[in-house]
Amino acid sequence: EAGVAQSPRYKIIEKRQSVAFWCNPISGHATLYWYQQILGQGPKLLIQFQNNGVVDDSQLPKDRFSAERLKGVDSTLKIQPAKLEDSAVYLCASSPSMEFGYGYTFGSGTRLTVV
Amino acid sequence: GENVEQHPSTLSVQEGDSAVIKCTYSDSASNYFPWYKQELGKRPQLIIDIRSNVGEKKDQRIAVTLNKTAKHFSLHITETQPEDSAVYFCAARSYGTGKLIFGQGTTLQVKP
Repeated sequence: EAGVAQSPRYKIIEKRQSVAFWCNPISGHATLYWYQQILGQGPKLLIQFQNNGVVDDSQLPKDRFSAERLKGVDSTLKIQPAKLEDSAVYLCASSPSMEFGYGYTFGSGTRLTVV
Repeated sequence: GENVEQHPSTLSVQEGDSAVIKCTYSDSASNYFPWYKQELGKRPQLIIDIRSNVGEKKDQRIAVTLNKTAKHFSLHITETQPEDSAVYFCAARSYGTGKLIFGQGTTLQVKP
């Protein structure tokens, strides 16, 4: 089966600029997650979708981050305006359902550098 | 809040030796515990997982043990090889939302 697709792979922007990341989960996977992984740390959940509804966005900095999954398939994560501390790898993951104990399948991630 | 503590942060072993990484979780309702391996510049890859109704699971050179009472689980790698060198993350699944809470990671170096 095809994996989780993410784009772009790399992005370099200046602080205060905006950026958007795209994720296409595995076909049929209802649950989609965006994680932020700062160098040397474990992934931290930013937002979780079940189909096109938000399940958990408690750690999403809502003053600058936004995410949507309009048709319950692919998703977009946006940062506006970016700060230096947003430099990280942004990982998208999907799973068949949040009710089942399946491990996630991660995408390759987008490495963001804010200068 | 929900938290997963992972130790050690770095681990260096000789090829052929065993390696053990330990994690402790805070949410007693957690019911699923996967382990991920992440090589430099690559995505985390699931290597083994265990559910809360099982105490131990083994897959070739890799095993995971779970002590629900102590809220503690561990990854055991036997006969380590240089290709085992990577960062390993433990995680615990939140019962309510299904989200995974990750530990801070362990950098394993296997010296030939």
